[in-house]
Amino acid sequence: QVQLVQSGTEVKKPGASVKVPCKTSGYTFTGYHMHWVRQAPGQGLEWMGWIKPSSGGTNYAQKFQGRVTMTRDTSISTAYMELSRLTSDDTAVYYCARDGCDGDCYSGSFDYWGQGTLVTVSS
Amino acid sequence: SYELTQPPSVSVSPGQTARITCSGDALPKQYAFWYQQKPGQAPVVVIYKDSERPSGIPERFSGSSSGTTVTLTIRGVQAEDEADYYCQSADSSGTYVVFGGGTKLTVL
Repeated sequence: QVQLVQSGTEVKKPGASVKVPCKTSGYTFTGYHMHWVRQAPGQGLEWMGWIKPSSGGTNYAQKFQGRVTMTRDTSISTAYMELSRLTSDDTAVYYCARDGCDGDCYSGSFDYWGQGTLVTVSS
Repeated sequence: SYELTQPPSVSVSPGQTARITCSGDALPKQYAFWYQQKPGQAPVVVIYKDSERPSGIPERFSGSSSGTTVTLTIRGVQAEDEADYYCQSADSSGTYVVFGGGTKLTVL
């Protein structure tokens, strides 16, 4: 079965960077785009961008351009999202979510989600 | 930047019909998707491509589209349907994914 497994919690200081892993199993990792979505406490969902694991190509939301980097390691079927220059506004749960298009295509929607990684930014 | 607009809250009694709307200028061009999120859990898709229902989602969930508005309808609402619901689509070019602000469905 498809699984996206994320680590539990990260605590970072303002100005630092965080790199969140998303380990996948149960499907062909390079066959589906991977998105990252975040949710601040008590707030809504916010799309950050995607990576195409087969090529490493990326597309970032304008809000995060210059501060986010999405990468992947195909040998271990894992996607990563790194966010730099953290502030308290970046405190949120960060989800990886598989694109819903079956095969080498793109739908811009999400069929499987990780359980989320809570990133807390505090001095 | 492009936005999708949802009502912050909708309340219904058990057994009634709940309708949650989502408005956006690009919705005639781009598909809409609906996600249900319960506290402490990741979202789950309940409607995709405006009106398609994934396997495992109860038939009481349906979606429709009319012009710049899409609607999630839940017929015969049950207590377990109480959750936050998010619409999601893309800008007119299809480049950027966008979420609505979310609607809290309360079952009275």
